[in-house]
Amino acid sequence: DAKTTQPPSMDCAEGRAANLPCNHSTISGNEYVYWYRQIHSQGPQYIIHGLKNNETNEMASLIITEDRKSSTLILPHATLRDTAVYYCTVHSNYQLIWGAGTKLIIKP
Amino acid sequence: GAGVSQTPSNKVTEKGKYVELRCDPISGHTALYWYRQSLGQGPEFLIYFQGTGAADDSGLPNDRFFAVRPEGSVSTLKIQRTERGDSAVYLCASSLRQDEQFFGPGTRLTVL
Repeated sequence: DAKTTQPPSMDCAEGRAANLPCNHSTISGNEYVYWYRQIHSQGPQYIIHGLKNNETNEMASLIITEDRKSSTLILPHATLRDTAVYYCTVHSNYQLIWGAGTKLIIKP
Repeated sequence: GAGVSQTPSNKVTEKGKYVELRCDPISGHTALYWYRQSLGQGPEFLIYFQGTGAADDSGLPNDRFFAVRPEGSVSTLKIQRTERGDSAVYLCASSLRQDEQFFGPGTRLTVL
């Protein structure tokens, strides 16, 4: 199964862009990259997903490298409410395969 | 609309007891998933239902764990002879197709 690797923690100043990297070097050609975040004591919340092309929605942008071995989640204007653990996951058939996530702290 | 709900939100039990954890998925979602999350780690897949049947139960750690979804909606995760190592947050998710999964708030299980 494909695995993901993320830095354990990151800081970002409020109002700045938060760029969260993820390595998934063993991902297969038909496996999607999904990003979720988890605020303390809540269930994970879907953010965005992609296969090969870069994606953007109202929450974030997802940049996937051409070889698909890594991706970056971008929160364009981070707010204090974006403080959470961010998970990069590989969607293999119906399963989500999770790493340990990145704890993102937004500082005022 | 209502999201995924899980009951109870917290469950404290003693080693060796039997527990049931309930999940109410989003109405109309045919796929339902159970995950387990230990402190400081990402969720770990347990079982996936498509309709009433368990399409994949390969993540269940042993035969003390069992889950049902008799009418294709509500699901119950059952744990027999609980052990201290079963303590974790048990998450349920549902989806309409095999894509975005919507998670409930989880049930925090503590085995004393």
